Amino acid sequence: DTAVSQTPKYLVTQMGNDKSIKCEQNLGHDTMYWYKQDSKKFLKIMFSYNNKELIINETVPNRFSPKSPDKAHLNLHINSLELGDSAVYFCASSQEESGRELFFGSGTQLSVL
Amino acid sequence: GESVGLHLPTLSVQEGDNSIINCAYSNSASDYFIWYKQESGKGPQFIIDIRSNMDKRQGQRVTVLLNKTVKHLSLQIAATQPGDSAVYFCAENVQGAQKLVFGQGTRLTINP
Repeated sequence: DTAVSQTPKYLVTQMGNDKSIKCEQNLGHDTMYWYKQDSKKFLKIMFSYNNKELIINETVPNRFSPKSPDKAHLNLHINSLELGDSAVYFCASSQEESGRELFFGSGTQLSVL
Repeated sequence: GESVGLHLPTLSVQEGDNSIINCAYSNSASDYFIWYKQESGKGPQFIIDIRSNMDKRQGQRVTVLLNKTVKHLSLQIAATQPGDSAVYFCAENVQGAQKLVFGQGTRLTINP
C-alpha cells in the first residue's frame, strides 16, 4: 500500500535521449510535486500541481515537462538529457496547497552517461 | 532571499545520547519551519514542524526549538537510537509561496 509510488527506481541513459518518470499517489491529495536532489543531497523544488493545474515552475529548463493526467498522477518527461540532469528525482504529494507536510516517493535515480 | 542552511554537515553521537541538529534560516516571512528525516535509499519523511509564532514544540523523543531573534532552528532527539541514523533536513514554508525550501542536510550517525 505505497502512498506515493514512482517508477522507475533507477534510470540509466545516454545523453540526448528522452525519458519519463511516472508518479502516482493513493492518498487522495490534491497537490503533487517534483523535487530534484543533487549529489550533495540538496533538495530543490521543480514543479507543483494542484488538482492538475500547474502552480509552481521553478526556473526549470523547458526540456523538463510535467504532465498531470489526473490529480493522482504527476509524470515528468525529460527531453535531450544532459549530464547535469543526473540526480535523484522525488515525487511528493500534500493535502494542503501550502505544502507543509509532504509525502515523498522513494525516488528515481537518474544517471546520464 | 530563500536560504535555509545548516551549521554542520555531519554529526556523530553515541547510542543513547541526545542529538542536537542545528539550522540557520534567513527568510523572516516563513509561516512554518519543518524537519524531515531521509534514510538511505528513501524519500524524506516529515518529523515535526513548528509555527513561526512558537518557540518550542515537542513530539515523541523529538523537540524543535525556534529562536527568531537569531533565526535559528534546532532539532533535539532524545536517547538516540540506531534507527535515527539518517540525513536530517530543515525546511521552511514561506507564506504564500506554496512550497518548501530545504536546507542542505545533516548526516547523523550513531556509534554503538
